[in-house]
Amino acid sequence: DGGITQSPKYLFRKEGQNVTLSCEQNLNHDAMYWYRQDPGQGLRLIYYSQIVNDFQKGDIAEGYSVSREKKESFPLTVTSAQKNPTAFYLCASSALSGAGVQPQHFGDGTRLSIL
Amino acid sequence: AQSVTQLDSQVPVFEEAPVELRCNYSSSVSVYLFWYVQYPNQGLQLLLKYLSGSTLVESINGFEAEFNKSQTSFHLRKPSVHISDTAEYFCAVSDRDNQAGTALIFGKGTTLSVSS
Repeated sequence: DGGITQSPKYLFRKEGQNVTLSCEQNLNHDAMYWYRQDPGQGLRLIYYSQIVNDFQKGDIAEGYSVSREKKESFPLTVTSAQKNPTAFYLCASSALSGAGVQPQHFGDGTRLSIL
Repeated sequence: AQSVTQLDSQVPVFEEAPVELRCNYSSSVSVYLFWYVQYPNQGLQLLLKYLSGSTLVESINGFEAEFNKSQTSFHLRKPSVHISDTAEYFCAVSDRDNQAGTALIFGKGTTLSVSS
């Protein structure tokens, strides 16, 4: 079945450490997104990408980095510059079409905690 | 930029009672609207969407939402809820002139708790 796979499900970060969250999709979607979810805050956009080798900052990009070397993969790195990384991270993808905005499909998330 | 307000952070109801989860968005010429549902420790699942056409949209599990342009609202309703409907519900709206591939703007969510 087509879908989005996020790994790992749980991740722990030590002080000063960079960690990378994986996101892979086999939906043949062009656009991919990373959101951060905190309790009572809804989802906030970190980065998004509409095409390979190109991506744009979202509302809370500071302390994060991404790459888009392949259409199906959009990994997120949480750097040591992100001082409050504890959150639930969600990856999503959507088709690009001439009919405007398409629904986004979500992975099951990665929960990141500080050791 | 668009913004979304979900007016209730928590909605407790009894099983088989009707429910309405409220969503308002900031004014725009045209928008695309979505409701998503999230079960604990899972990602979001699309519940229903309004892209164009009929202002009343329905999901396969009995939920419906009505797009009201004059009220800038997209409230979610169900005439009779089940225990299994307990989850967090997010309203979302398109941003940036509805360009394909741009991100959605999400509300802060409403936790629906159904008890027997």
